[in-house]
Amino acid sequence: AQSVTQLGSHVSVSEGALVLLRCNYSSSVPPYLFWYVQYPNQGLQLLLKYTSAATLVKGINGFEAEFKKSETSFHLTKPSAHMSDAAEYFCAVTEGGTYKYIFGTGTRLKVLA
Amino acid sequence: GAVVSQHPSRVICKSGTSVKIECRSLDFQATTMFWYRQFPKKSLMLMATSNEGSKATYEQGVEKDKFLINHASLTLSTLTVTSAHPEDSSFYICSARPPARSEETQYFGPGTRLLVL
Repeated sequence: AQSVTQLGSHVSVSEGALVLLRCNYSSSVPPYLFWYVQYPNQGLQLLLKYTSAATLVKGINGFEAEFKKSETSFHLTKPSAHMSDAAEYFCAVTEGGTYKYIFGTGTRLKVLA
Repeated sequence: GAVVSQHPSRVICKSGTSVKIECRSLDFQATTMFWYRQFPKKSLMLMATSNEGSKATYEQGVEKDKFLINHASLTLSTLTVTSAHPEDSSFYICSARPPARSEETQYFGPGTRLLVL
């Protein structure tokens, strides 16, 4: 069965510093992978997705993620953090053969001034 | 494009009453919608998959008689929490999947916060 692991439930970075949020997955079939962001008391907004095309995926708000099959990873990065990036970030993988998502436990990003 | 709305955004009800939450895809037809529940500072738990014109598929452990799901049209799915109790208090989020797209992307609504007193 597919699963998603997000290392680090809380990550703090200084404004302007590199953001790195980790996501590892397990899947027996080529997966679709997603990163979503959630601001307080709001739904989830799609940041980017991997769908077996380019392994380096660029998303909104300057975020990007690289699919590494050998490492079963899909880490999210942003070169320079902004205060507005403070939010909860979720990695998700589709369950094989279905449209269902398996979500990671989420990483709360805090940006320090 | 791909906007999903939920109504209401927040609801407070008395224990024992029923509450209906609506999920609408505003600019696309969604043959499949999903209902999630999110506990404070936790991840999303899939409750059920809603398919237009057929019965919803519930995840293990989710009471289908308590969480009634109806997907009567290609743009509307409803979740009714029947005989709500305080432990049903939670943040409920729906998502919709445009059928024409092959990437299996889900677009999420803004969520409904339910508080049962």
